[in-house]
Amino acid sequence: DIVMTQSPASLAVSLGERATINCKSSLSVLYTSNNKNYLAWYQQKAGQPPKLLIYWASTRESGVPDRFSGSGSGTDFTLTISSLQAEDVAVYYCQQYYTTPLTFGPGTKVDIK
Amino acid sequence: QVQLVQSGSELKKPGTSVKVSCKASGYSFNSNGITWVRQAPGKGLEWMGWIDTATGKTYYAVNVQDRLTLTRDTSATTAYMELRSLMSDDTGVYFCARDGWNTVAPYWFDSWGQGTLVTVSS
Repeated sequence: DIVMTQSPASLAVSLGERATINCKSSLSVLYTSNNKNYLAWYQQKAGQPPKLLIYWASTRESGVPDRFSGSGSGTDFTLTISSLQAEDVAVYYCQQYYTTPLTFGPGTKVDIK
Repeated sequence: QVQLVQSGSELKKPGTSVKVSCKASGYSFNSNGITWVRQAPGKGLEWMGWIDTATGKTYYAVNVQDRLTLTRDTSATTAYMELRSLMSDDTGVYFCARDGWNTVAPYWFDSWGQGTLVTVSS
């Protein structure tokens, strides 16, 4: 199985400041035949189902604010919230879909400082 | 709009089974697979399995594959998750989610059900 790790486990950022979440996979999730990274990011607010933010490591889902961006390749990925808003308080998960079983990172909790 | 509506909360005794439904609407049901993800109280997300709604082909996580069955009823545009031999560790919220990519394997999930709380307790 591909093991996903995330850092930090939690972070507190002032409103309007940048939040950066890291995700690392135990194996590369870059499929060389199409040069795509099989990685997605989700946001989960308390008491709600997850919401898709990013797929293919850097493609923003329709309707997701452009303050959310994804980057990275191979085994190391980053989700950046460029200017944190109050409504961004949530837990963020990365997920690989390179192979089954699909696996999620343990999550990163983002709060307001 | 795409909508997935799950069945209601369940209270089950250890050793019994639970079957959760996921009614899809707002899109062509056969075009996108359905995945099931669970979340233990206060914990992260765990992928359980996936079903190709067009063919019925399934993938299961190894840790539940002996107890889990995913099915679908295309005429009712509904997917089902049945988990047998329930244990207290199976307590949690179970989500169905639609594949965001029309293909023969699970990818990312762009629409989610509201979740079904399954409590296993004697």
